[in-house]
Amino acid sequence: AQKVTQAQTEISVVEKEDVTLDCVYETRDTTYYLFWYKQPPSGELVFLIRRNSFDEQNEISGRYSWNFQKSTSSFNFTITASQVVDSAVYFCALSDDNAGNMLTFGGGTRLMVKP
Amino acid sequence: NAGVTQTPKFQVLKTGQSMTLQCAQDMNHEYMSWYRQDPGMGLRLIHYSVGAGITDQGEVPNGYNVSRSTTEDFPLRLLSAAPSQTSVYFCASSYYGKIYNEQFFGPGTRLTVL
Repeated sequence: AQKVTQAQTEISVVEKEDVTLDCVYETRDTTYYLFWYKQPPSGELVFLIRRNSFDEQNEISGRYSWNFQKSTSSFNFTITASQVVDSAVYFCALSDDNAGNMLTFGGGTRLMVKP
Repeated sequence: NAGVTQTPKFQVLKTGQSMTLQCAQDMNHEYMSWYRQDPGMGLRLIHYSVGAGITDQGEVPNGYNVSRSTTEDFPLRLLSAAPSQTSVYFCASSYYGKIYNEQFFGPGTRLTVL
């Protein structure tokens, strides 16, 4: 069975601080995909990144970076120099071979960036 | 190209009432699904479909029915609404067959059952 755990339910930082959102996953499959989604206060889900299980390279996109470590089953997300516009709920999700297109989501982390 | 659309955006029901949440996509995606979002629990899969005429249950299907008569539409029916169904509902679609296909989510429907 798949499982995604986001242990941090809420994080509060002051603007320009760096912040890391943790994601730990469980799956028995060797082929799987990990995702991060952002849900701003307006409520829609915004796709941020997809990473497959065979690619452990870290990725950087502007102020966002992702650290994928299979050894610890983690896919952590770091925002550098946070901004107020980063305030949102962030979800980590997993899809593996047995699940097809189905996504298993973590409980989400609410990030509040204060000016 | 409207993507994934959902109607209504907001709905208030009384216990026992029935209603249908509409979902449509114009991307010719085979795969469509419904999730519900509850605080602290992320999104959980209710039902999904891999093509017209084919549907299956997800993690939390009780109290919901679906059908898929066309590729474009995937309505979710609540036959007898209960307060436990108060939630935000998201419809999603994607190509099917490769698990790395990006899923496109609709804007959501916020449902309150009194």
